[in-house]
Amino acid sequence: QSVLTQPPSASGTPGQRVTISCSGSTSNIGNNFVSWYQQLPGTAPKLLIYRNDQRPSGVPDRFSGSKSGTSASLAISGLRSEEEADYYCAAWDDSLSAWVFGGGTKLTVL
Amino acid sequence: EVQLVESGGGLVEPGRSLRLSCAASGFTFDEYAMHWVRQVPGKGLEWVSGISWNSVNKAYAASVKGRFTISRDNAKNSLFLQMNRLRAEDMGLYYCAKDIDVGYIYGYFDYWGQGALVTVSS
Repeated sequence: QSVLTQPPSASGTPGQRVTISCSGSTSNIGNNFVSWYQQLPGTAPKLLIYRNDQRPSGVPDRFSGSKSGTSASLAISGLRSEEEADYYCAAWDDSLSAWVFGGGTKLTVL
Repeated sequence: EVQLVESGGGLVEPGRSLRLSCAASGFTFDEYAMHWVRQVPGKGLEWVSGISWNSVNKAYAASVKGRFTISRDNAKNSLFLQMNRLRAEDMGLYYCAKDIDVGYIYGYFDYWGQGALVTVSS
């Protein structure tokens, strides 16, 4: 069982806006920054969001991150079929002294 | 172009050891913290260990602390993971990952290798 909780699945149609949630506690999301990763089938993960809402260069602004209290969200607007992938949140956990990931959300583009 | 290439994976019996390597290129290796992240095929990601640019700071997941050792050789642009007393639950694809910015260990992994597969079985 993961320290950060994500819904196992999400779905949307092309062009739609979808959000993926990530729930934690004061020892991780509540007191630390959140990052998000996209893992396309058969490939290594890719950093989408860091420090809650910052995008690395090359990541489209259709991807956005937010945090409130002990929860965080990733939003994808203008959804594309090629964005069908697994999405993971991550944060430092003060109690575990380790970075922890969510269990991942499989996004299906209908 | 940033490249991270892992090697050293393979089949090993429970209780034995294995050493993973990661060859880095395309960036100033000795300025960045580096990490190992593993994934059981079909399952989620698990951070394993991280090391600062100068090897002064090292961190481990509780599941591997005392059995795994991370190290680096900045002269050879290489990262290592010495894995001792391997268990079945250590099986997975081990990714080498670069931290996003110079100096500190930020824990944002902006480049990843393709992974080295470790299988622990008798």
